[in-house]
Amino acid sequence: KAGVTQTPRYLIKTRGQQVTLSCSPISGHRSVSWYQQTPGQGLQFLFEYFSETQRNKGNFPGRFSGRQFSNSRSEMNVSTLELGDSALYLCASSQQENTEAFFGQGTRLTVV
Amino acid sequence: AQSVTQLDSQVPVFEEAPVELRCNYSSSVSVYLFWYVQYPNQGLQLLLKYLSGSTLVESINGFEAEFNKSQTSFHLRKPSVHISDTAEYFCAVSEFGGATNKLIFGTGTLLAVQP
Repeated sequence: KAGVTQTPRYLIKTRGQQVTLSCSPISGHRSVSWYQQTPGQGLQFLFEYFSETQRNKGNFPGRFSGRQFSNSRSEMNVSTLELGDSALYLCASSQQENTEAFFGQGTRLTVV
Repeated sequence: AQSVTQLDSQVPVFEEAPVELRCNYSSSVSVYLFWYVQYPNQGLQLLLKYLSGSTLVESINGFEAEFNKSQTSFHLRKPSVHISDTAEYFCAVSEFGGATNKLIFGTGTLLAVQP
């Protein structure tokens, strides 16, 4: 069974640009969550999608958005990039509620 | 709301020595508990979990953790570490019975195993 796949693995963007990150969950998993990991703030929850609906949202500005498709694949978008958005963005999928989360390898975003 | 505290940011230890990584949590509701491990430039891998049942849970590579409800702790232990155990370890909680898989993480503990 394939694991959680995130693309791309590395990305360099310029301040002010926007970026879209993709996550393909484990087959059969309906829940996808996104996390931002930085040295200063650690691992912070961005949002969670379940059956195409956003079920939970962390404390991030509106520049951060996401969506989930009918095949459970998810994308997150960051608009008007700031230097502080440089981070490792991790996607996790879960089969259903209250089960363990399986993480992808992450997308390393660098904003210059 | 939940929070997780990992008091030790770094734990140096010699190979074949025992180790304990501490995790305490705070929550107004019951929680599930997890330990994840992260190797450099990698995502998080689930090491072990406590969902219900026996309070002592074990992983396949020799780690174990014990859920202590009265002390709100979920410390991770290994009786004899290897060089390959060098990694960052994260303790996490999620709300028991909530319609969510949202995880709240601690700040992580870097386990540095020295020969």
